[in-house]
Amino acid sequence: EAQVTQNPRYLITVTGKKLTVTCSQNMNHEYMSWYRQDPGLGLRQIYYSMNVEVTDKGDVPEGYKVSRKEKRNFPLILESPSPNQTSLYFCASSLSTGPRNTQYFGPGTRLTVL
Amino acid sequence: AQKITQTQPGMFVQEKEAVTLDCTYDTSDPSYGLFWYKQPSSGEMIFLIYQGSYDQQNATEGRYSLNFQKARKSANLVISASQLGDSAMYFCAMREGPGFQKLVFGTGTRLLVSP
Repeated sequence: EAQVTQNPRYLITVTGKKLTVTCSQNMNHEYMSWYRQDPGLGLRQIYYSMNVEVTDKGDVPEGYKVSRKEKRNFPLILESPSPNQTSLYFCASSLSTGPRNTQYFGPGTRLTVL
Repeated sequence: AQKITQTQPGMFVQEKEAVTLDCTYDTSDPSYGLFWYKQPSSGEMIFLIYQGSYDQQNATEGRYSLNFQKARKSANLVISASQLGDSAMYFCAMREGPGFQKLVFGTGTRLLVSP
């Protein structure tokens, strides 16, 4: 089954404790992206990757890191999480960029930073 | 300025009736894509329908159709014959140049379908 998977689905952590949210897709998509969703703000892009070893900042990259060492994986790293990073996080992928390329989303990771 | 505007925070509709969810967008790029996603209470983002800026016809996918009015920069989602399972948040989004690196989302409309 074609899908985007994220782990963990739920995470409660404390300020400053490094964490990684994994994202994997099995559709051989070139493009992958991370978004965060906050009430009243919709989804905002954190980072994206056009291909292996090619990543760039989105609209809200502060406090996050990413890497793309393999085509299928695009982990999101929070080196020192803070309470304002409490949010619902989505990984998404599409075959490529371009206006016609539909982005498919993972199930989401609900992160709480105490 | 907002790129995607959804002016209806919430909508109510009775089962089996049709409902229109509004979306207006702002871009100066001639090439762009418009998408609608559904987010049920379980949280996942489900792709519903796509409309390209150069598409001549309005997109349709089953009970979903997109009322695309390019000159007015609107891309309203029409759900025909609403079902209880349609109760969810609905997001309009746009992919535009240069590079088409991201989806820009509206703030969403919460739809509640009553029996």
